[in-house]
Amino acid sequence: DGGITQSPKYLFRKEGQNVTLSCEQNLNHDAMYWYRQDPGQGLRLIYYSQIVNDFQKGDIAEGYSVSREKKESFPLTVTSAQKNPTAFYLCASSSRASGNTIYFGEGSWLTVV
Amino acid sequence: LAKTTQPISMDSYEGQEVNITCSHNNIATNDYITWYQQFPSQGPRFIIQGYKTKVTNEVASLFIPADRKSSTLSLPRVSLSDTAVYYCLVGDLMNYGGSQGNLIFGKGTKLSVKP
Repeated sequence: DGGITQSPKYLFRKEGQNVTLSCEQNLNHDAMYWYRQDPGQGLRLIYYSQIVNDFQKGDIAEGYSVSREKKESFPLTVTSAQKNPTAFYLCASSSRASGNTIYFGEGSWLTVV
Repeated sequence: LAKTTQPISMDSYEGQEVNITCSHNNIATNDYITWYQQFPSQGPRFIIQGYKTKVTNEVASLFIPADRKSSTLSLPRVSLSDTAVYYCLVGDLMNYGGSQGNLIFGKGTKLSVKP
């Protein structure tokens, strides 16, 4: 099946630790994105990447880092510098060939304990 | 930036038609309008997308007036499984790379369908 796979679905992190969320897509999409969603709130853009080896900061990039070494993969690292990391994280992708419509993965819950 | 305004919540009953309106007064010429559905702890699911007039697919219709300053998502004969949050997204999809900040998700409309 084609789609966007995020893992893990649930993750617990101790304060002061870095954690990496995985995002893989087999849709052959050029662009990939990471959004953060807090309970009852909308989505906020963390980072996006148009092409391999290139990425740009979104609205709330502080405390996060990404890499785009392969077209299919866009992992997000939540660093210890992120003061309030507990949230629902959503990965998405799009391409001009599909009308630039953004498609989302199923999300990952990160809880700091 | 094309900011959107939606009702925070709506209630409906099974079998009714539901219309959710989104206001986007400063929509730009290149902006498209996209609607998503989101269930708790799941990623948003694409419903429908349009630029002007009316678009219909197997699950919904999208009505866009000539001035494009608003749009209405129409869900025919809703069921309990349509209870979800619905997001209206307005942005320049063809320029997604450098302007993802233009693709603003608001808080959405929480639709509750009752038996």
